[in-house]
Amino acid sequence: DTAVSQTPKYLVTQMGNDKSIKCEQNLGHDTMYWYKQDSKKFLKIMFSYNNKELIINETVPNRFSPKSPDKAHLNLHINSLELGDSAVYFCASSQHRVNTGELFFGEGSRLTVL
Amino acid sequence: QQQVKQSPQSLIVQKGGISIINCAYENTAFDYFPWYQQFPGKGPALLIAIRPDVSEKKEGRFTISFNKSAKQFSLHIMDSQPGDSATYFCAASKNAGNMLTFGGGTRLMVKP
Repeated sequence: DTAVSQTPKYLVTQMGNDKSIKCEQNLGHDTMYWYKQDSKKFLKIMFSYNNKELIINETVPNRFSPKSPDKAHLNLHINSLELGDSAVYFCASSQHRVNTGELFFGEGSRLTVL
Repeated sequence: QQQVKQSPQSLIVQKGGISIINCAYENTAFDYFPWYQQFPGKGPALLIAIRPDVSEKKEGRFTISFNKSAKQFSLHIMDSQPGDSATYFCAASKNAGNMLTFGGGTRLMVKP
């Protein structure tokens, strides 16, 4: 069983379109994240949710909107896609307030905007 | 402003050699320093982590050395193997696991 699963694994779309990425974790964790990894492999946090509540919102354009219907799911919707949005998006989860600090990452969703 | 600086960007080591990756941080409030390993097409996975109350932590062939006064920490991979070829990220956080700030990554290639 995959601990953190993301779908789809690949998206190829045109500029201006809207797309969504879904994430689910079966680890029973309280906290979920979205990270963006650019072409140079740099990993940057975008959002974090704890028990469906947004707790971290880094400087991300309003075109990106996360939604957490329950603590096991965190989806990412992107409006009006731009070329610079091309990247690999990673979902991750962690057990909030447990001092292990380990983040469990999904396998990533590679978004290509043409 | 990059809060965690990692070097080198890439590293080639012969099988059996020692791989050394260095990181430096700015924020003295950081209290948790993990290293993550990422294979192509996969997400990063925790390799080993250290807190500032110890200067060294070893797990198998992997060792973290931590220098609090210099605000630096490093990963040593002893007896490097081709299977260790991956991208390695150092990271830091103020509250373990939440809001991890990653270094820029080091692509390690271990030649047979």
